[in-house]
Amino acid sequence: QSALTQPASVSGSPGQSITISCTGTSSDVGAYNYVSWYQQHPGKVPKLMIYDVTNRPSGVSNRFSGSKSGNTASLTISGLQAEDEADYYCTSYTSIFTWVFGGGTKLTVL
Amino acid sequence: QVQLQESGPGLVKPSETLSLTCAVSGYSISSGYYWDWIRQPPGKGLEWIGTIYYTGSTAYNPSLKSRVTMSVDTSKNQISLKVRSVTAADTAVYYCARHIGGNYDYWGQGTLLTVSS
Repeated sequence: QSALTQPASVSGSPGQSITISCTGTSSDVGAYNYVSWYQQHPGKVPKLMIYDVTNRPSGVSNRFSGSKSGNTASLTISGLQAEDEADYYCTSYTSIFTWVFGGGTKLTVL
Repeated sequence: QVQLQESGPGLVKPSETLSLTCAVSGYSISSGYYWDWIRQPPGKGLEWIGTIYYTGSTAYNPSLKSRVTMSVDTSKNQISLKVRSVTAADTAVYYCARHIGGNYDYWGQGTLLTVSS
């Protein structure tokens, strides 16, 4: 199985909004609403930010939102803050009963 | 509070088998959820290795399936991972995590496994 495709890096200024895409196929992202997003700061454990495409776990800021269109899922962060600078990973269930991660996106807050 | 703690040898020689254990506390594995192993090579992204249910049912990453075995010990409340014939490409931080529907809600701190002679 191939990793989901994410941009290697995105950047934005404080207060701005950014969107990170996660492109898969009709056998994973396009087929199921089991797309999640994780935030990972350097040297830290990944943290769940969005699950089931659009849902936010308790305690996650409402500045984080998720969506999906066809084979591409997206994570949007509004009102960028310095603390949002991190790596972000998407993951999806697949038609062969496995899970696959995206390659990761480094978010830089300018 | 659910806690996961990975343990392993830290260093394994090429061609050998690496064995890792994930001890779970604060939650009984037999109560449900899936338990996964995920790894992250230094400076690189996350890679899903496989998942196991308390019944012993498993699913593995196709790229690793021929070398990987996961098992569960409900009496010790822990899961295990074995990767055979390791190479330098298996050097990574190995995480265990609890998941349902792809939602990894609890993670261990990770253990670094280095493959080197």
